[in-house]
Amino acid sequence: EADIYQTPRYLVIGTGKKITLECSQTMGHDKMYWYQQDPGMELHLIHYSYGVNSTEKGDLSSESTVSRIRTEHFPLTLESARPSHTSQYLCASSVEGIIEKLFFGSGTQLSVL
Amino acid sequence: TQLLEQSPQFLSIQEGENLTVYCNSSSVFSSLQWYRQEPGEGPVLLVTVVTGGEVKKLKRLTFQFGDARKDSSLHITAAQPGDTGLYLCAGARYKYIFGTGTRLKVLA
Repeated sequence: EADIYQTPRYLVIGTGKKITLECSQTMGHDKMYWYQQDPGMELHLIHYSYGVNSTEKGDLSSESTVSRIRTEHFPLTLESARPSHTSQYLCASSVEGIIEKLFFGSGTQLSVL
Repeated sequence: TQLLEQSPQFLSIQEGENLTVYCNSSSVFSSLQWYRQEPGEGPVLLVTVVTGGEVKKLKRLTFQFGDARKDSSLHITAAQPGDTGLYLCAGARYKYIFGTGTRLKVLA
């Protein structure tokens, strides 16, 4: 079983607020990812990290930023939330091997009013 | 441009029926994975296929990777309400690319 945790599960905030979505994994995985997903739709990669102090932007442009100071922690920050940021945010980590396997957290459902 | 198209987008069937979900691309992938996602949760890996033409079975689920490694299918035999969820394929290139998803609802 994967041990990857996201908090909060649900967040409703007003426009202009700064927020941080937390993601932690206890498996020692080097690779971590943030995906954005609208209800019932595909996942879009917005950020990824291959290790401590390594972060890259994904395929979908996002106004969010990430940091990777510790292997187990990969938080995502929005400096000024807008209604267009309303979505589900999924964090994942992966294990090294011949075939990469992604383990997902339960997600944070963000609603910006 | 969406690299991985899934069909159908939505599917509602009765318990006991069979169904097939397709994942198609014009690109070649080194491997392809299928995930199932339930409401309010993250996707969970079901299977990985690597070799062109490969067939894998997971209880009532049968997964096939196309010979050219550009497409895949998921066949469910005798669907049950517990199979309800969003099915996502994901192809591996330099990183994983997810398909458009198929939302399946199995009615009791």
